[in-house]
Amino acid sequence: AQSVTQPDIHITVSEGASLELRCNYSYGATPYLFWYVQSPGQGLQLLLKYFSGDTLVQGIKGFEAEFKRSQSSFNLRKPSVHWSDAAEYFCAVGPRGNTPLVFGKGTRLSVIA
Amino acid sequence: EPEVTQTPSHQVTQMGQEVILRCVPISNHLYFYWYRQILGQKVEFLVSFYNNEISEKSEIFDDQFSVERPDGSNFTLKIRSTKLEDSAMYFCASPTGSRSWADTQYFGPGTRLTVL
Repeated sequence: AQSVTQPDIHITVSEGASLELRCNYSYGATPYLFWYVQSPGQGLQLLLKYFSGDTLVQGIKGFEAEFKRSQSSFNLRKPSVHWSDAAEYFCAVGPRGNTPLVFGKGTRLSVIA
Repeated sequence: EPEVTQTPSHQVTQMGQEVILRCVPISNHLYFYWYRQILGQKVEFLVSFYNNEISEKSEIFDDQFSVERPDGSNFTLKIRSTKLEDSAMYFCASPTGSRSWADTQYFGPGTRLTVL
């Protein structure tokens, strides 16, 4: 069965510092991988996705993620965090096609001055 | 980003009452999904809907739940007799890709259901 692990429940970083959020997945084949962001009381916004090709993918708001097949990981990074990045971040996996996404439990990001 | 809309944004109901949550997906796509997020927990899949039929459903989607496409543009999730544990955020998701092949799922803003 597919599963997604986000080992960090809560991360606090200083504004301007770099950020890395971890995501590990379990899936039998090469999955499609996604990062979504959820601001308090809001819906899920797609940050970026990996389907195939270049393993470093760029997303919105200055985020990027790197797919590492050998480590079954898809970590999200940002070189300089802004206060507005404070939110909940969800990693999700799904095979291409008509099947539902499986989400991790999320990582809550707090940004301090 | 393609827009998916949901109404209402917040629904408060008494236990045992029926609720209907509505969603307008990306135009003309045949696939459609409902997910649920209990406060503080992860997003969980409920049901997928393809070409006016349930394609796949999770253990959560029991007999008290139903989905319909009452007209060409709207999808609904009905909970027949709500329970306290149904309190959650309900998201619909609409994929891009071709009409019959789903790709990236875009989520609506969600409906917060509170059962008292």
